[in-house]
Amino acid sequence: DGGITQSPKYLFRKEGQNVTLSCEQNLNHDAMYWYRQDPGQGLRLIYYSQIVNDFQKGDIAEGYSVSREKKESFPLTVTSAQKNPTAFYLCASSIKGASPEAFFGQGTRLTVV
Amino acid sequence: DQQVKQNSPSLSVQEGRISILNCDYTNSMFDYFLWYKKYPAEGPTFLISISSIKDKNEDGRFTVFLNKSAKHLSLHIVPSQPGDSAVYFCAVSNAGGTSYGKLTFGQGTILTVHP
Repeated sequence: DGGITQSPKYLFRKEGQNVTLSCEQNLNHDAMYWYRQDPGQGLRLIYYSQIVNDFQKGDIAEGYSVSREKKESFPLTVTSAQKNPTAFYLCASSIKGASPEAFFGQGTRLTVV
Repeated sequence: DQQVKQNSPSLSVQEGRISILNCDYTNSMFDYFLWYKKYPAEGPTFLISISSIKDKNEDGRFTVFLNKSAKHLSLHIVPSQPGDSAVYFCAVSNAGGTSYGKLTFGQGTILTVHP
């Protein structure tokens, strides 16, 4: 079954700790994305990568870091510099082509206490 | 400054009737428009899309209309079913540029379909 896997589904961390969210896809998609959703708001783009070993900042990159060492994997690190890290994080991927539709994973709910 | 706006936070519809969800955007450079459906604590799932060269696209019960002059798109669901109850997000893209797949989302509209 092809798809995007995010793990874990729920994550708790103490304030001041860095935490890494996993995202793996077996769709052979070129591009991968991280979005954040807060209650009552739409999805906001954190980082995206169109090719291995390259990535760009999205609209709200401060306090986050990413890597893209493999086509299948795009982990997101939420650092202690992120002021409001508690949110629902969504990973997505897309293939270069006529349609820009992105396919999403099931999300990770991060709670920082 | 929000580039994509869904001005109705919620919509309530009777089963069997039409649901109309609306979305406005500000940048005329956007050339691809999408609708996603999302349940709580899950990722969004793609519903339907339309490119800027068209003004209508239909897929079963779902139809998306695009009015480029008004920078407005809408999603029609006919007939509405209780299983359609979810949050609906519109999203836009400048797919003709280098950032393919990079989507900008509206805030979402909560649709409730009553039996």
